[in-house]
Amino acid sequence: NAGVMQNPRHLVRRRGQEARLRCSPMKGHSHVYWYRQLPEEGLKFMVYLQKENIIDESGMPKERFSAEFPKEGPSILRIQQVVRGDSAAYFCASSTYRERETQYFGPGTRLLVL
Amino acid sequence: GQQLNQSPQSMFIQEGEDVSMNCTSSSIFNTWLWYKQDPGEGPVLLIALYKAGELTSNGRLTAQFGITRKDSFLNISASIPSDVGIYFCAGPPVETQGGSEKLVFGKGMKLTVNP
Repeated sequence: NAGVMQNPRHLVRRRGQEARLRCSPMKGHSHVYWYRQLPEEGLKFMVYLQKENIIDESGMPKERFSAEFPKEGPSILRIQQVVRGDSAAYFCASSTYRERETQYFGPGTRLLVL
Repeated sequence: GQQLNQSPQSMFIQEGEDVSMNCTSSSIFNTWLWYKQDPGEGPVLLIALYKAGELTSNGRLTAQFGITRKDSFLNISASIPSDVGIYFCAGPPVETQGGSEKLVFGKGMKLTVNP
């Protein structure tokens, strides 16, 4: 049973570049969540998606950040014109519809903005 | 926003000792989750609690869902070196359920086990 997969595991970008983070949910899971973690902190919710739908993006900055979960393929978290403050670990989680509160996490993408 | 207060923030124990940690909230939760995170990895789900008063075990781990629905605790018995890591409590606040099941996390408890 493959778990939640994320890639890349590490990503280095210069200020102003774009970062694309990918997440493939666990098999049988139709719901995807993105969280951000700063050092020494807990995870903070960003966005919740189903296939082709954004359900809740209340935790995502209004500018430069976007997320999608297309009918085919992984979910993508996109950060445009990255700034140093975007440096963090970004985690994706997935769940079934019936147990949406029970979320399983991927290994994360560590983004470093130089 | 919602906050979970997790304590203690860190613990240093000897191998073989038991350890307890707890999590409290000012609002009600219908689900409590406990995760462990190793350095450079994602959180791994240890125990999920779905009912007030529920006591659930997973090997040497035992967790309880507080009767007030505003707290939970996690116990680890007979600790071993591989228990080292950061333990997080998490849950979806009641007011967000039914639509978004976004999780709120505590700040974590860093456990060190001396062999």
